[in-house]
Amino acid sequence: KAGVTQTPRYLIKTRGQQVTLSCSPISGHRSVSWYQQTPGQGLQFLFEYFSETQRNKGNFPGRFSGRQFSNSRSEMNVSTLELGDSALYLCASSWGTSTDAETQYFGPGTRLLVL
Amino acid sequence: AQKVTQAQTEISVVEKEDVTLDCVYETRDTTYYLFWYKQPPSGELVFLIRRNSFDEQNEISGRYSWNFQKSTSSFNFTITASQVVDSAVYFCALSETSGSRLTFGEGTQLTVNP
Repeated sequence: KAGVTQTPRYLIKTRGQQVTLSCSPISGHRSVSWYQQTPGQGLQFLFEYFSETQRNKGNFPGRFSGRQFSNSRSEMNVSTLELGDSALYLCASSWGTSTDAETQYFGPGTRLLVL
Repeated sequence: AQKVTQAQTEISVVEKEDVTLDCVYETRDTTYYLFWYKQPPSGELVFLIRRNSFDEQNEISGRYSWNFQKSTSSFNFTITASQVVDSAVYFCALSETSGSRLTFGEGTQLTVNP
């Protein structure tokens, strides 16, 4: 079974630009979560999507947004990029249907560098 | 609020040594889940174990073992006879009963030297 895939793997942008990252979950998984990893703040939860709806949200400014498509693929968008947005962005998928905390399986991440 | 603390920032051992990675957590929930993930240099987080708060049995999987102690809010991870391939950053994480938000610790960088 194919794992979680993320594209692109590397990205260089300049301040003020916007960026869109893509994530394809494991087949059958309907929940997709996004995390930001930086040396200073560590791994932080951005948001979770399930059945095309945002189900959970972390403490990030509105410049960070996402969406999910009917095939469960998800995109994350960051507008008006700041230097501090440079990070590894990780996507994770799970079935999404249990009331218990499910195991999340992570993709390889997208490394974003903002200059 | 939930919190996970991994006090050991870096650990360096020689191959074949046993090593224990510490994880202490805080939560007000009575039902919660604990996880360990491994992050090799490639960046992908690799799932190792999931444990719910009602299951305090220790678990062993090959060279890996986990010690869950609710009384001390700890979920420690031991690697027996470490190998160079074990070199990675290890994260402990906590999640509530429902919802997928994982709260991660700071991570422990483990280096196993030949």
